Amino acid sequence: RKEVEQDPGPFNVPEGATVAFNCTYSNSASQSFFWYRQDCRKEPKLLMSVYSSGNEDGRFTAQLNRASQYISLLIRDSKLSDSATYLCVVNLRDTGRRALTFGSGTRLQVQP
Amino acid sequence: DVKVTQSSRYLVKRTGEKVFLECVQDMDHENMFWYRQDPGLGLRLIYFSYDVKMKEKGDIPEGYSVSREKKERFSLILESASTNQTSMYLCASFPGGANVLTFGAGSRLTVL
Repeated sequence: RKEVEQDPGPFNVPEGATVAFNCTYSNSASQSFFWYRQDCRKEPKLLMSVYSSGNEDGRFTAQLNRASQYISLLIRDSKLSDSATYLCVVNLRDTGRRALTFGSGTRLQVQP
Repeated sequence: DVKVTQSSRYLVKRTGEKVFLECVQDMDHENMFWYRQDPGLGLRLIYFSYDVKMKEKGDIPEGYSVSREKKERFSLILESASTNQTSMYLCASFPGGANVLTFGAGSRLTVL
């Protein structure tokens, strides 16, 4: 079983739709969680951290479910510019060493 | 903002050549990483370094070596490039704790 798993997609949604991605992690000792966005042929960039109580940044909402060991990303009112691959990242422990594990990414395609 | 600079964006090399990929960060971070990213496989950790002259193998170190002589610079070396090392190589820097990982723009290597 992979340490961090994501549905690769693609998720094809119309503009204005609401879309949600999940990411499951296998290690219950995981401590911090992030969503990164990666545009085609570019480097991943931080989209948002995921806090225990859930957090929102504009149209984006991130949630953490420790009991079921998954994080989620909800995008409301999808824009064409949201088309990208979304990577979840899990930090097993806060040492900064080889603790960051990436999912393979979920591809989102927003269509006009 | 943290800046991570990869000096070579695109390289084309021949099988058997020695290849150097350079990465420099400007924020005095202890931790630096080299990943490769391939379609369908996501980001895979090659090597990381948590201090000058310190290095640890990641998940796929075979065929690679690294050098960290100065804190700001982390080099990835392909001693004898092979076609299966054709990939996108991403360097990243990380201060530790719950802070985020910052990537360079990537180096796309083609080995003929």
